[in-house]
Amino acid sequence: AQSVSQHNHHVILSEAASLELGCNYSYGGTVNLFWYVQYPGQHLQLLLKYFSGDPLVKGIKGFEAEFIKSKFSFNLRKPSVQWSDTAEYFCAGASGNTGKLIFGQGTTLQVKP
Amino acid sequence: EAQVTQNPRYLITVTGKKLTVTCSQNMNHEYMSWYRQDPGLGLRQIYYSMNVEVTDKGDVPEGYKVSRKEKRNFPLILESPSPNQTSLYFCASSLKPSGRGGQPQHFGDGTRLSIL
Repeated sequence: AQSVSQHNHHVILSEAASLELGCNYSYGGTVNLFWYVQYPGQHLQLLLKYFSGDPLVKGIKGFEAEFIKSKFSFNLRKPSVQWSDTAEYFCAGASGNTGKLIFGQGTTLQVKP
Repeated sequence: EAQVTQNPRYLITVTGKKLTVTCSQNMNHEYMSWYRQDPGLGLRQIYYSMNVEVTDKGDVPEGYKVSRKEKRNFPLILESPSPNQTSLYFCASSLKPSGRGGQPQHFGDGTRLSIL
C-alpha cells in the first residue's frame, strides 16, 4: 500500500541550528513528493516539490530537500533555522493519474530564540 | 485574488444534525479535495474530485458525502454527524491532481467542527 511516514514528530532547535526532517515513502512507479508548512492558525502552504529531474530541489525560505530513490526518502533541510520557522511540516506523496494525495503524520518544529 | 474559501470557519453542533461545509475556488481548477487534520495523524483525505460530476473516495470517506455539480464548488456533507467527526477540515484545489507533474494544492483556511 502507498504510504508516507515522517520519523520526527516533535523537534526543538535553537535559532541558527541546522534542520533535517525525515520523510520516507512507499510507492510503486513514479512518485511526486511535496513538503508543506503550516504556521500556527494558518492553512498549509507549499514549501517545495519534486516530480522529476534534479533530485535536489530548492524551495521557499531557504528550504531544500533531496529525493533519494534508493532510500525511498525525501528529507527536508535548512542550514540555519529562524524563530519564524516554528510551524508544523508535512511531507506528502502522489502518484500517476489517481487523485489520492497521502500525507505523513507531520512534524512540529519549535525554534527557540 | 486566487483563493479557496471555506464556510463556516467554526461550527459547534450536536450529534445527528445534518451539516454542510462549503468550499469554493476561483482559479478554474479541475481537481478539488477534502482532508481532515487530527493530532498525530496528519492530514487524511476524505474525498476528491477530478472534475465536475467525478468524485471518488479518499482514505477516510465513512460518514461523509460530497458533490461536484459546478467546477468551482465542492461541498462536504455530514448527513448524521458523530463526535468522532470532530476535527479540523481543509478543502484544497489544484489545476490537475498532484500526481500529474507535481501539481501543488491550494488550501482553504480550514473549518473547525465540534460535534457534541
